[in-house]
Amino acid sequence: GESVGLHLPTLSVQEGDNSIINCAYSNSASDYFIWYKQESGKGPQFIIDIRSNMDKRQGQRVTVLLNKTVKHLSLQIAATQPGDSAVYFCAENTSGSEKLVFGKGTKLTVNP
Amino acid sequence: DGGITQSPKYLFRKEGQNVTLSCEQNLNHDAMYWYRQDPGQGLRLIYYSQIVNDFQKGDIAEGYSVSREKKESFPLTVTSAQKNPTAFYLCASSIQGMRQPQHFGDGTRLSIL
Repeated sequence: GESVGLHLPTLSVQEGDNSIINCAYSNSASDYFIWYKQESGKGPQFIIDIRSNMDKRQGQRVTVLLNKTVKHLSLQIAATQPGDSAVYFCAENTSGSEKLVFGKGTKLTVNP
Repeated sequence: DGGITQSPKYLFRKEGQNVTLSCEQNLNHDAMYWYRQDPGQGLRLIYYSQIVNDFQKGDIAEGYSVSREKKESFPLTVTSAQKNPTAFYLCASSIQGMRQPQHFGDGTRLSIL
């Protein structure tokens, strides 16, 4: 079926470390993926997206990796800061589908 | 600044009452969406609209209604038929529908009195 899930519901890291948040998807036809950051009481904020014709995409301090073979997506945050503490969601879309399917989220806590 | 404005931030509903959540965007986006978020859960799609005067049901449309009379506005009505309306409601918009990143408002938290 069509679903998006996460390996870990919570992740705790030390300030300055790199963080890796994982996401698994089950629909092999999914070809567009987005990562969002949601702070408490706010709406999700777009971080980065990637299409299936790419394996890697980099932004400012963030990198998204896509492994289509194992249907796995990851978000890497370099030099994690306290302001990065939030819930991170992955979402996927399939060409021809009108729906963006969201995972349940991973809560990232950055310890000073 | 351009963005999506949801109001009110907090809303309380009495039993048997309909309530309407406002969503306005000045991003000139064609598509707009309503999601429901329950604690510790991802977002579930209620309704979406790709163009003015047209909208489609999402995964959990029962007990909700929408209208899209203007490009900038996509109000959501939570009707008395929605038996479990307590949730965080999020509105989003995007340029060309689902293939582009959606931009979200800061949500309305609805509770039952």
